[in-house]
Amino acid sequence: DIVMTQTPSSQAVSAGEKVTMSCKSSQSLLYSENKKNYLAWYQQKPGQSPKLLISWASTRESGVPDRFIGSGSGTDFTLTISSVQAEDLAVYYCEQYYDTPLTFGSGTKLEIK
Amino acid sequence: EVQLVESGGGLVQPGRSMKLSCAASGFTFSNYGMAWVRQAPTKGLEWVATISYDGSSTYYRDSVKGRFTISRDNAKSTLYLQMNSLRSEDTATYYCTREQLPLDYWGQGVMVTVSS
Repeated sequence: DIVMTQTPSSQAVSAGEKVTMSCKSSQSLLYSENKKNYLAWYQQKPGQSPKLLISWASTRESGVPDRFIGSGSGTDFTLTISSVQAEDLAVYYCEQYYDTPLTFGSGTKLEIK
Repeated sequence: EVQLVESGGGLVQPGRSMKLSCAASGFTFSNYGMAWVRQAPTKGLEWVATISYDGSSTYYRDSVKGRFTISRDNAKSTLYLQMNSLRSEDTATYYCTREQLPLDYWGQGVMVTVSS
């Protein structure tokens, strides 16, 4: 199974600050034939179901604010929120869909100071 | 608008069975693979099973193989998860998801509690 490791486990920032969180996979998620990274980011707000933010490592879903930026390739990926808003309070999960079983990281909990 | 509405959860004793349903609307159900993902209380996300758009292929995580069965009725736009020989470690919120590489829509979830 592909192991997904997220750091940090939690992070507290003030509104307006920039935040970055990391996701590392135990093997490359870059498929050579199409040059795509099979990596997604999800946001789970308290009491809600997860919401897809970013697919293919860097493609924002429709309606997702442009302050959410996904980057990285291969085994190292980053989710950046350029200017955190109060409504960004949530747990953020990365997920690989390169292979079955689909696997998720343990999440980064974002707290607003 | 895509909607996925789960039902069928509740309290069940260890060793017993339960069947979850997911009613889909707002898209052509028969065109998409579907999956179940679960989340134990205060824990992270765990993929459970996937079924192809036509039901011809199914995939399971090792811990549920032989106990859980994912199926679908495309005429009813409904996804199912039959869970047998339930264990305490199956206690979780179960989410129905559309699998469009990746999981692009999620239901609100249904709670399953396995306890005597």
